[in-house]
Amino acid sequence: NAGVTQTPKFQVLKTGQSMTLQCAQDMNHNSMYWYRQDPGMGLRLIYYSASEGTTDKGEVPNGYNVSRLNKREFSLRLESAAPSQTSVYFCASRHTRGRSGELFFGEGSRLTVL
Amino acid sequence: AQKITQTQPGMFVQEKEAVTLDCTYDTSDPSYGLFWYKQPSSGEMIFLIYQGSYDQQNATEGRYSLNFQKARKSANLVISASQLGDSAMYFCAMREGGGGGFKTIFGAGTRLFVKA
Repeated sequence: NAGVTQTPKFQVLKTGQSMTLQCAQDMNHNSMYWYRQDPGMGLRLIYYSASEGTTDKGEVPNGYNVSRLNKREFSLRLESAAPSQTSVYFCASRHTRGRSGELFFGEGSRLTVL
Repeated sequence: AQKITQTQPGMFVQEKEAVTLDCTYDTSDPSYGLFWYKQPSSGEMIFLIYQGSYDQQNATEGRYSLNFQKARKSANLVISASQLGDSAMYFCAMREGGGGGFKTIFGAGTRLFVKA
């Protein structure tokens, strides 16, 4: 069982370049999330998708766009990368049934913007 | 608005001793869930324990327990009998709206160092 798969795992961009982080889950989860992790700031929610066909802004959405392509896939796009977007990005998913509904995370994608 | 606060950037504990990691939260929603996650140096996020806002008893999972004080809006993680493998970052998180809610936010984290 792959769980949550993110690609690429590492990427270096120049300021102004664009890129898309891909995320796929094989657990039939309804909800998917994108977080960024910066030292001393924990994980901050960028965007989330409660279910297929819906997306909502999180805490730090500026500079990002997302697409919920289908139930399995949720991509994060940087249209014009800035050095402030240097971070580790995590995709996560969860089912919306059951008591706890904890998040299942991918391994993270380390992005450096020069 | 949701808010999670972890005031301890770093903590040291002697192997085999217990340690408490602090977490306070703020929400106006009567239905919410509280979580703790562990992030070892390898970087993956590991779910540890969950507490629902209507749960009457504190959650326990093996050596982990969550000290839930609803009136004080605190959800401290207690690790008993610390092991060297417990050295990691620990994050407190909250989801409003109970099981049907979607938005989960995290605190800044506490780095735990277990000494031999």
